[in-house]
Amino acid sequence: DAGVTQSPTHLIKTRGQQVTLRCSPKSGHDTVSWYQQALGQGPQFIFQYYEEEERQRGNFPDRFSGHQFPNYSSELNVNALLLGDSALYLCASSLFTASNQPQHFGDGTRLSIL
Amino acid sequence: AQRVTQPEKLLSVFKGAPVELKCNYSYSGSPELFWYVQYSRQRLQLLLRHISRESIKGFTADLNKGETSFHLKKPFAQEEDSAMYYCALSGYSTLTFGKGTMLLVSP
Repeated sequence: DAGVTQSPTHLIKTRGQQVTLRCSPKSGHDTVSWYQQALGQGPQFIFQYYEEEERQRGNFPDRFSGHQFPNYSSELNVNALLLGDSALYLCASSLFTASNQPQHFGDGTRLSIL
Repeated sequence: AQRVTQPEKLLSVFKGAPVELKCNYSYSGSPELFWYVQYSRQRLQLLLRHISRESIKGFTADLNKGETSFHLKKPFAQEEDSAMYYCALSGYSTLTFGKGTMLLVSP
């Protein structure tokens, strides 16, 4: 089991562009959460997907959107990129029915905005 | 609102010295608290959680609801403990992280 996998590992975009990041959860997990980790900060919760619906959302603008597919994989989309969106984006998976069980994290996607 | 505070950005100790990484939280309900660790070039991984009350790699953490703290402790630090440590609070199935403390253990 490869655990949580994310792609791509690195991405460079310019201001105003749009980006899509991808995540495959750990085998057996059905819930995907996305986090943004700016330099020198802890991960900050963006949103969580279960049963292909956004279940919870952190304090992020509508430019941040997501999707979950029937195979539980997920995408994070960011529109109209700003310099401040430069960060490490982490995906974490868990089992929805096992609330408060530890989340398993991927290696992240490093997004740089020029 | 839930909040996690880790007051130290960096903690530097010598091998064999005791270690205490501080974590304070703010949460209106009954919190689930975790410590996550990130070793160099590795992904974020769970170190321990308060509900299991277990010791992992010699680390322990006790939830003190009166002081709203969940400090991480180890009696004798090892060089391989050098890493970034994050305290996290789970509420409503999402995690709120502190800013992290870098632990450096020197020989």
